[in-house]
Amino acid sequence: QQQVKQSPQSLIVQKGGISIINCAYENTAFDYFPWYQQFPGKGPALLIAIRPDVSEKKEGRFTISFNKSAKQFSLHIMDSQPGDSATYFCAASGDGNQFYFGTGTSLTVIP
Amino acid sequence: NAGVTQTPKFQVLKTGQSMTLQCAQDMNHEYMSWYRQDPGMGLRLIHYSVGAGITDQGEVPNGYNVSRSTTEDFPLRLLSAAPSQTSVYFCASGRDSSVNQPQHFGDGTRLSIL
Repeated sequence: QQQVKQSPQSLIVQKGGISIINCAYENTAFDYFPWYQQFPGKGPALLIAIRPDVSEKKEGRFTISFNKSAKQFSLHIMDSQPGDSATYFCAASGDGNQFYFGTGTSLTVIP
Repeated sequence: NAGVTQTPKFQVLKTGQSMTLQCAQDMNHEYMSWYRQDPGMGLRLIHYSVGAGITDQGEVPNGYNVSRSTTEDFPLRLLSAAPSQTSVYFCASGRDSSVNQPQHFGDGTRLSIL
């Protein structure tokens, strides 16, 4: 059973546009939600993370929006660039040690 | 600064063989973890460690053993390889100010079991 459900599976965005990736969870014990970026042939890299005590966190062009009541969170990539083309994973943890990942979103930014 | 180093990068095994995937980090992180990545399934946690001498099971631990004798090293052992263990394996380490988490990943070991 997938603990974190991620959508869409793939996404194509024009350069300069906004990329939006969504994740949902059921376990209310989750209290930490990181996002990762993975390029082909490489390991994932931590992008940005949020706790449920805030509704939004922004780092550069990357923003996490969090809706605690809906048990949903999303990654927004503003002014998307071809270099952002990668696979993005959301994740969740409740004990700070065990992390559950979504199935990934393959983002392609077209020049 | 090497970060997280995984060896080997590629390996082909026959069913029933054993092997050890190596993972080393030079950032003095207490938290280390192993994941497997399969198409359409994201990353799944196999085992993790919060310090030397301390290990615990993750989501998919069956068929794998780990040990943590030093802060730097966290090897993953396949005792009797099965085709279902064909996957890409990632080791990660990390510790930020408030939570253990997989911050830094190695580049993976691509393992095929025939």
